[in-house]
Amino acid sequence: AQKITQTQPGMFVQEKEAVTLDCTYDTSDPSYGLFWYKQPSSGEMIFLIYQGSYDQQNATEGRYSLNFQKARKSANLVISASQLGDSAMYFCAMSYFNKFYFGSGTKLNVKP
Amino acid sequence: NAGVMQNPRHLVRRRGQEARLRCSPMKGHSHVYWYRQLPEEGLKFMVYLQKENIIDESGMPKERFSAEFPKEGPSILRIQQVVRGDSAAYFCASSPEGGSQETQYFGPGTRLLVL
Repeated sequence: AQKITQTQPGMFVQEKEAVTLDCTYDTSDPSYGLFWYKQPSSGEMIFLIYQGSYDQQNATEGRYSLNFQKARKSANLVISASQLGDSAMYFCAMSYFNKFYFGSGTKLNVKP
Repeated sequence: NAGVMQNPRHLVRRRGQEARLRCSPMKGHSHVYWYRQLPEEGLKFMVYLQKENIIDESGMPKERFSAEFPKEGPSILRIQQVVRGDSAAYFCASSPEGGSQETQYFGPGTRLLVL
């Protein structure tokens, strides 16, 4: 069965510093995708970054990068130079046969 | 270039009433997914549809819930005889193709409150 684990219910980071949000996953299938979404207090789900299981290089999108360690089954999100607007819930998700499996989320608070 | 549209954004129903949630996918997307988010939890898959076909409904409750994606018009998630436990945010997502490598783009969600 597919499973996504986010072990950090909440995190604080100082503005302008980098922060890593942890995500581990469990699957026996070699083909899957890993995604991160941001959910601000307004409630919408905003796509941030994607990593395919066969991708050799870590994905990057602006200030977001995904630290993909396939052997350890981890897909941590790194946010560089945190901004106040980064305060939100962050969800890791794995896609498998058209379904997304979501973790329980990490609430990030950026302090001024 | 509109994104995924959902309406209504907020819906209040009394126990026993019916709730109809609508989703219009992004232009060019023919794959629609519905997810439910209970308070303080992540999203849980409910159903995956293509035009006029239900592909995977393994996450749908066995009773009272149904979904459709007709040839014309939006996808509809229908909840009959709602109960308080149905109170949640319901998200629709769409993608141009199916498969594990496809990004799903989410709508703003419909917040259902059952009184």
